Amino acid sequence: DTGVSQNPRHKITKRGQNVTFRCDPISEHNRLYWYRQTLGQGPEFLTYFQNEAQLEKSRLLSDRFSAERPKGSFSTLEIQRTEQGDSAMYLCASSPSGTVYGYTFGSGTRLTVV
Amino acid sequence: DQQVKQNSPSLSVQEGRISILNCDYTNSMFDYFLWYKKYPAEGPTFLISISSIKDKNEDGRFTVFLNKSAKHLSLHIVPSQPGDSAVYFCAASGSTNAGKSTFGDGTTLTVKP
Repeated sequence: DTGVSQNPRHKITKRGQNVTFRCDPISEHNRLYWYRQTLGQGPEFLTYFQNEAQLEKSRLLSDRFSAERPKGSFSTLEIQRTEQGDSAMYLCASSPSGTVYGYTFGSGTRLTVV
Repeated sequence: DQQVKQNSPSLSVQEGRISILNCDYTNSMFDYFLWYKKYPAEGPTFLISISSIKDKNEDGRFTVFLNKSAKHLSLHIVPSQPGDSAVYFCAASGSTNAGKSTFGDGTTLTVKP
């Protein structure tokens, strides 16, 4: 297994455009998480999945953000009508379920909204 | 309201000496604590964890100490090596919350040769 894979690594988009990111977790991991990180801050929780079920979504996340994990495998994060404030590193992580485990993170997708 | 705080943005130590990174939390529901290390252009890497039923966990050069009454934990690295230079994040989870973690803002450790 090659770990958690995220694509694309970088995305530059114009304000108002829609963007979609993909995450391929470690295949045995039931849990999948999306976090956002801006410069000088720690990762901020966005949402997580247990298999295909989205179990929690951050209150900080506006309706422009949506995530899916069809069939409990890969996940996509879509941002509609992007704003400059959406510029950040978007991190995906996965872990086994059952208790609290350390995450395995991907390398992230850096989004720049111009 | 930041529930996990790392009050030192940076720390510099000499190679071979001890590095001590600190973290404070406010939420009493947290019962698992984790440390991650992050190099530039990479995602964070899990380092070590501790549950609230313990006050110490050791893994090689890395030891995490937990003081529940003070809501404080620390990561000790002994001896420090130049390759340890990275950003270190403290994170906290509640076991009733399916492993969702709350992160601090990180401490940048520089180990000088």
